[in-house]
Amino acid sequence: DGGITQSPKYLFRKEGQNVTLSCEQNLNHDAMYWYRQDPGQGLRLIYYSQIVNDFQKGDIAEGYSVSREKKESFPLTVTSAQKNPTAFYLCASSVSGEPQHFGDGTRLSIL
Amino acid sequence: SQQGEEDPQALSIQEGENATMNCSYKTSINNLQWYRQNSGRGLVHLILIRSNEREKHSGRLRVTLDTSKKSSSLLITASRAADTASYFCATGGGSNYKLTFGKGTLLTVNP
Repeated sequence: DGGITQSPKYLFRKEGQNVTLSCEQNLNHDAMYWYRQDPGQGLRLIYYSQIVNDFQKGDIAEGYSVSREKKESFPLTVTSAQKNPTAFYLCASSVSGEPQHFGDGTRLSIL
Repeated sequence: SQQGEEDPQALSIQEGENATMNCSYKTSINNLQWYRQNSGRGLVHLILIRSNEREKHSGRLRVTLDTSKKSSSLLITASRAADTASYFCATGGGSNYKLTFGKGTLLTVNP
């Protein structure tokens, strides 16, 4: 089945630790996105990538980093500089001008 | 920044009734999309309406767009308990594929 796979489903971070969230898609989409969702809130864009080896900051990029070495993969690293990382993280992909397809999210919590 | 604002924030209805959710936005758009999110899951695309369209239907869904008022509405007819979810509008405005999401309407359909 074509789709987007996010892993892990739950993740815990210790103080001062970097953690990486995985996002893989087999939809052959050029564009990929990372969003953060806080309780009762909408989605806020962290980073997005339109093509391999290129990505742009979204509205809340501070404390996060990404890479896009392969078309299928767009991992997100939550660094220790992100002081309030507890949230639900959603990855999505799309082709130009078309609706975005979402994974089922990773819930990150602080130990 | 979040461009779309859904109204109401929460809506509770009985099965079989119609549900109407509204979305207002601030800047010019290329298209407006509606997404659904079940609790703890990713978003699922429902319908896309382009800026030159006024109304669109998909099954029990009807979406209208009024670009002069910068507003859209989503009507779900003959609601079912399975329609219980959060509904988000998202606006797309440029060639960078980015979407801006509202905070969503939580719809509860009581059996």
